[in-house]
Amino acid sequence: SQQGEEDPQALSIQEGENATMNCSYKTSINNLQWYRQNSGRGLVHLILIRSNEREKHSGRLRVTLDTSKKSSSLLITASRAADTASYFCATPHTGKLIFGQGTTLQVKP
Amino acid sequence: ETGVTQTPRHLVMGMTNKKSLKCEQHLGHNAMYWYKQSAKKPLELMFVYNFKEQTENNSVPSRFSPECPNSSHLFLHLHTLQPEDSALYLCASSQESTTQETQYFGPGTRLLVL
Repeated sequence: SQQGEEDPQALSIQEGENATMNCSYKTSINNLQWYRQNSGRGLVHLILIRSNEREKHSGRLRVTLDTSKKSSSLLITASRAADTASYFCATPHTGKLIFGQGTTLQVKP
Repeated sequence: ETGVTQTPRHLVMGMTNKKSLKCEQHLGHNAMYWYKQSAKKPLELMFVYNFKEQTENNSVPSRFSPECPNSSHLFLHLHTLQPEDSALYLCASSQESTTQETQYFGPGTRLLVL
């Protein structure tokens, strides 16, 4: 079983719409990170949220963390075609960062 | 551009070949990582180096041999690979090898084993 699992696996929206991706994890954490990966490229760090934070913003990104439910969400507002990518949450487990399988987001122009 | 470069970007090799993947980071970080990314699977951590010392070997087969001559360079030596080893190999670095650090990834090497 995965430490972090994203939901949905795939999401297709129109440009201008908001996109919401969710991440669930199993063990207690002190932080959670979100990364983005364009097709066939390396991952790029988006945002880190600590366990004592409930919400964090970065530009059009909004991340929430609910430690009681062991879940996090990533909201991209006013999406653009350039937001098309895979999005991964990463959680610490046994001293390592464990990445989920990701949500593939397609934003249609 | 994340400050982490990888070469080659693409590699095709036979099962009897020996090749090496190279990673270089220009960020002054002390920790470096190798990950394997296969289709339909989560990113798999392979090796972690912290201050040039290997601190993690995630049960990786011996046909993968890492080398870290200094904090800026990381190699992955490949020999007698199998077709199932075909994947995107990603290198990353971070200031320290703690889970509170942001990791910076290179663009990856797309490996095809025939």
